[in-house]
Amino acid sequence: QSALTQPPSASGSPGQSVTISCTGTSSDVGGYNYVSWYQQHPGKAPKLMIYEVTKRPSGVPDRFSGSKSGNTASLTVSGLQAEDEADYYCSSYAGSNTLGVFGGGTKLTVL
Amino acid sequence: QITLKESGPTLVKPTQTLTLTCTFSGFSLSTSGVGVGWIRQAPGKALEWLTLIYWNDDKRYIPSLRSRLTINKDTSKNQLVLTMTNMDPVDTATYYCAHRCRYCSGGSLDYWGQGTLVTVSS
Repeated sequence: QSALTQPPSASGSPGQSVTISCTGTSSDVGGYNYVSWYQQHPGKAPKLMIYEVTKRPSGVPDRFSGSKSGNTASLTVSGLQAEDEADYYCSSYAGSNTLGVFGGGTKLTVL
Repeated sequence: QITLKESGPTLVKPTQTLTLTCTFSGFSLSTSGVGVGWIRQAPGKALEWLTLIYWNDDKRYIPSLRSRLTINKDTSKNQLVLTMTNMDPVDTATYYCAHRCRYCSGGSLDYWGQGTLVTVSS
């Protein structure tokens, strides 16, 4: 199973919005509404930010939102804050007999 | 409150077998629907799924490493054990265990251990 495709980097100024894309295939992103997004600060474990494409776990600010169209999912961070600077990974379900697949990660820089 | 913590050697030699333990609290691996997995991350690289075990002992493995990986659980100790044979320098990575979110469909991981860095070098 191939990794999902993410841009290596993204950036925005404080207060702005930035969108990170995650492209897969009809066997993963396009086939299920089960895309997750994780935030990872340097030296820390990943943190679940979005699940089932659009849902936020308790405690995740509503500045983080997810969407999907066809084989591409997106994470939008609105009202950028310095603390949002981190690596972001998407992940997709790919069937009951698989583990799923991660994206290559996107480094978000807050300018 | 769910917590997970990985433990094991920080340095292994090439060809050796790696054994990592994940000790968790706040849930039981004998409860229906529960799953715990191992994910690794090579330095500066992306996350990579390794394996997952469910409460009913159903197991999933990444196909490319299937012959080298074994996952087992000890529900009485609230532990998970990962074994990886024939270690190679390319296996140098931080190894995480993580809890599969029970209220999420699609296998999201809602709680993660802090990770343990394993270096493979002679």
